[in-house]
Amino acid sequence: EIVLTQSPGTLSLSPGERATLSCRASQSVSSSYLAWYQQIPGQAPSLLIYGTSSRATGIPDRFSGSGSGTDFTLTISRLEPEDFAVYYCQQYGSSPWTFGQGTKVEIK
Amino acid sequence: EVQLLESGGGLVQPGGSLRLSCAASGFTFSNYAMNWVRQAPGKGLEWVSGISGSGGSTYYADSVKGRFTVSRDNSKNTLYLQMSSLRDEDTAIYYCAKDRYSNLYGWFDPWGQGTLVTVSS
Repeated sequence: EIVLTQSPGTLSLSPGERATLSCRASQSVSSSYLAWYQQIPGQAPSLLIYGTSSRATGIPDRFSGSGSGTDFTLTISRLEPEDFAVYYCQQYGSSPWTFGQGTKVEIK
Repeated sequence: EVQLLESGGGLVQPGGSLRLSCAASGFTFSNYAMNWVRQAPGKGLEWVSGISGSGGSTYYADSVKGRFTVSRDNSKNTLYLQMSSLRDEDTAIYYCAKDRYSNLYGWFDPWGQGTLVTVSS
């Protein structure tokens, strides 16, 4: 099983600042099968990024994904009020599919 | 518009059984694999089970293998999760999620709103 470790656990930032979220895998993720999801409290998760760096439909370009192998990053270039949420990475290249434990981006 | 609507959650005693359903609309259901993902109260996401578009392939997390069974009825556009021998640690919101491909190995989009399962005596 591929274990995904996200850091930091909580990121305290102000609107307009840049957020950098990390996701490290215990072994190489097949073919960059890495996704990022956003979860606003009380709501279901929603897809942000798939294939490491492709934005889902309707996702603004302030969200970007990068990485390969075992190290992946989600970057939010300028935080908007609606971006304060919990973010999860997920690998879907090797069963069982696994999620990171999440990074909470909170308002400073 | 793709829509997924879960139902069937509720309160069940340890050792009991429950069947969840996920009604799908807005896409050709049989062309896509489907997944169940759960989230315990205040915790992160845990993938539970997946099933291919045809229903011929199924996958389970070790934590539920032998206790949960995933199935689908493509004529009814509905996904199911039969849960038995339920434990306290199965308490969670259960989400269904559409896979990008028919054979799994895709990302999950969209997700349903979830149904709460509480296992307690």
